[in-house]
Amino acid sequence: QQKVQQSPESLSVPEGGMASFNCTSSDRNFQYFWWYRQHSGEGPKALMSIFSDGDKKEGRFTAHLNKASLHVSLHIRDSQPSDSALYFCAASEHDNYAQGLTFGLGTRVSVFP
Amino acid sequence: GPKVLQIPSHQIIDMGQMVTLNCDPVSNHLYFYWYKQILGQQMEFLVNFYNGKVMEKSKLFKDQFSVERPDGSYFTLKIQPTALEDSAVYFCASSSGLGSAEQFFGPGTRLTVL
Repeated sequence: QQKVQQSPESLSVPEGGMASFNCTSSDRNFQYFWWYRQHSGEGPKALMSIFSDGDKKEGRFTAHLNKASLHVSLHIRDSQPSDSALYFCAASEHDNYAQGLTFGLGTRVSVFP
Repeated sequence: GPKVLQIPSHQIIDMGQMVTLNCDPVSNHLYFYWYKQILGQQMEFLVNFYNGKVMEKSKLFKDQFSVERPDGSYFTLKIQPTALEDSAVYFCASSSGLGSAEQFFGPGTRLTVL
């Protein structure tokens, strides 16, 4: 079983709308989460990290973490065509720089005009 | 923003041969990583590297794999000999080791072993 699971696999959202998707870890050792975004032909790029319970907002992006359930969500407000990409959730046991990340399969977001 | 470069973008090689994948990490970054992504599967951690040494490796990092960064040049992943199951996209990443420890990823090298 994959240790980091994402849902849905894909979603379509109108331009200006809200995109929301989820990530759950089955490993209680994973307490630190990242959201990465990957555009076609490029490597993943970090959007934000979230290590504490509750919400974290950066611009149009808001992440929410529930440590008890190891559930993380990402919400994109006022979605733009440039937000069309593959979004990965990644988790680690520690928040330090040495550790490799465990990735989910990703959620593909399409923003249509 | 900071960029990680990977050379080549594609590599086709016969099974049993040696291949070296090259990564030019972000300048002044100290931590380096390789990940492997087989088509349709999640990206998986292979190894990380700091101060000339492997710090952590996963079970995917077989004995045929090796990494090095001689004299601050490219960070390389060498596979010798290659096997069919090594066909994948290999992503290099680097981080500064400061603050939130964001890992910056390259665009990947697609390796096809025939």
